[in-house]
Amino acid sequence: ETGVTQTPRHLVMGMTNKKSLKCEQHLGHNAMYWYKQSAKKPLELMFVYNFKEQTENNSVPSRFSPECPNSSHLFLHLHTLQPEDSALYLCASSQAFPLAGPPNEQFFGPGTRLTVL
Amino acid sequence: GEDVEQSLFLSVREGDSSVINCTYTDSSSTYLYWYKQEPGAGLQLLTYIFSNMDMKQDQRLTVLLNKKDKHLSLRIADTQTGDSAIYFCAESLTGKLIFGQGTTLQVKP
Repeated sequence: ETGVTQTPRHLVMGMTNKKSLKCEQHLGHNAMYWYKQSAKKPLELMFVYNFKEQTENNSVPSRFSPECPNSSHLFLHLHTLQPEDSALYLCASSQAFPLAGPPNEQFFGPGTRLTVL
Repeated sequence: GEDVEQSLFLSVREGDSSVINCTYTDSSSTYLYWYKQEPGAGLQLLTYIFSNMDMKQDQRLTVLLNKKDKHLSLRIADTQTGDSAIYFCAESLTGKLIFGQGTTLQVKP
């Protein structure tokens, strides 16, 4: 248990569906992150929120829409996804952003395995 | 540019040493990290090294840093079946972590 939980753990959706991924951290951190993990590719940083404000958007398509209502919760809203969006979506949190080195490390959740049909 | 590269797969026998290698591109990285991902789980920080060090030892783990060649390695002594996982190298750059694609370590009994 890392203190970061994600739901659902698995999700199968059609290209026309709308769904949301949820992340919650119980560590008192102020920064939260969404990453995309695809097979045999580097982990891709998608979004960063620091004190509920979005500070990074790494050219992510608009069919992915993040929301951070407070420092403990982070959502990723999905709509009209493509099959190539199938991947493991990981949430992480850290004390603050930008990272200034240990002990300001990132803690990861277990991920949501997303399959787009 | 931002590029961290690792070989994709390593297979060793239980009890042997494992060495996982990584190359990175940005010499201004302050810290370099090794993360471990077990099946069905997220990434967990295993160890890290400050860029002004060339070696760090932590129980069975030894991290070697060659800053001139921008090469990082993780040595696991007496590898156990529980060490089977994906290992990610990462550099810190402008406050973000840049990860490699991960090395899958398979430990055969």
